[in-house]
Amino acid sequence: GAGVSQSPSNKVTEKGKDVELRCDPISGHTALYWYRQSLGQGLEFLIYFQGNSAPDKSGLPSDRFSAERTGGSVSTLTIQRTQQEDSAVYLCASSLDVSASYEQYFGPGTRLTVT
Amino acid sequence: QKEVEQDPGPLSVPEGAIVSLNCTYSNSAFQYFMWYRQYSRKGPELLMYTYSSGNKEDGRFTAQVDKSSKYISLFIRDSQPSDSATYLCAMSADWDYKLSFGAGTTVTVRA
Repeated sequence: GAGVSQSPSNKVTEKGKDVELRCDPISGHTALYWYRQSLGQGLEFLIYFQGNSAPDKSGLPSDRFSAERTGGSVSTLTIQRTQQEDSAVYLCASSLDVSASYEQYFGPGTRLTVT
Repeated sequence: QKEVEQDPGPLSVPEGAIVSLNCTYSNSAFQYFMWYRQYSRKGPELLMYTYSSGNKEDGRFTAQVDKSSKYISLFIRDSQPSDSATYLCAMSADWDYKLSFGAGTTVTVRA
């Protein structure tokens, strides 16, 4: 079946603008995760959803970052007033449910460049 | 000190050689141990996961976990140029949804 999809694949934006990144998880997967991968860094956990609920938002770097998930499927990560340090690859993953978080499947990522 | 340490390499081996990758960790609560492969400009791909200590084999790939030493390994036998990628280890506690990742080791298999 189809894997995790993300759009756009690349996004170049000017400092101060808002951006929205989209993730479509594997059909039937109720848990969804957002990560950030910066050059030379490991994956940094941002937030996860079980269904439409985000029990833990502590990984979000600042209040400029927010995420939502509707209908238990598609999720959107929004970054307001982008800064240059937000430049990174934003990865989305999904798993059957949160108890199977050890088996996460990743999308191709969105490469964000803030100029 | 990072929770998960992984030598970034790079590692270069001739085709057919055995590739040996490893990670060390500090959190004794970790019970799930995963290996991901990431090609350039792609998302990580789950290769295999292991629960607690022991070995697991899948084709040319073997994962080993030694919880007493807090050390995990991935071996790739009969390496191929298509194995050239960055390999990431990840781990989590039983009760935790968060994965802790290593920084990744870049591997090149020379034809």
